[in-house]
Amino acid sequence: DIQMTQSPSTLSASVGDRVTITCRASQRISSWLAWYQQKPGKAPKLLIYKASSLESGVPSRFSGSGSGTEFTLTISSLQPDDFATYYCQQYDSFFTFGQGTRLEIK
Amino acid sequence: EVQLVQSGAEVKQPGQSLRISCKGSGYNFATYWIAWVRQTPGRGLECVGIIYPGDYDTRYSPSFQGQVSISVDKSISTAYLQWPSLRASDTAMYYCARSYSGVSNPYQPDYWGQGTLVTVSP
Repeated sequence: DIQMTQSPSTLSASVGDRVTITCRASQRISSWLAWYQQKPGKAPKLLIYKASSLESGVPSRFSGSGSGTEFTLTISSLQPDDFATYYCQQYDSFFTFGQGTRLEIK
Repeated sequence: EVQLVQSGAEVKQPGQSLRISCKGSGYNFATYWIAWVRQTPGRGLECVGIIYPGDYDTRYSPSFQGQVSISVDKSISTAYLQWPSLRASDTAMYYCARSYSGVSNPYQPDYWGQGTLVTVSP
């Protein structure tokens, strides 16, 4: 099984900040990586696919990068609606999710 | 509009059987994988298994193999997740999600159902 490790587990930031979340795969997954946002009581929402492609309708302040085993999700200027939990997910071999990063208001 | 609508919350006792459903609409149901994903506070998001309605290709995570079964009825665009005998550890939120089919594997899940909460308690 491919393991996905996210860091940090919790991130405190303010509106307007630039934040970065990292995801590491236990083996190479090319660019088969997605990022999701989840709010309490809701299903995950797709933000980024194939490591750096922005899903339709997602604000351009979200961006993704990386390939192989190291990936990042960047939010260029935090908005109030962005405080949520973020997950990475590999789909190179079946599906595996990271443990999540909770983005909270500082 | 693409939609995945799941069946309602369930409360069951250990040892009982259960089947939950996920009905797709607004797209060609046969050409997208359906994944079942479990979410718990302790283990986060875990993929239980996936099924391709077009040819019924079904794959399970090793952690869930033999514990559940996934099926589909193409005639009514509905996928199912079934337990023959529930355990307390099956208590979780279960989501279905659709994934476009790549050459040999599914791509990223894009649309998700609203979730079905399964509670297993004596």
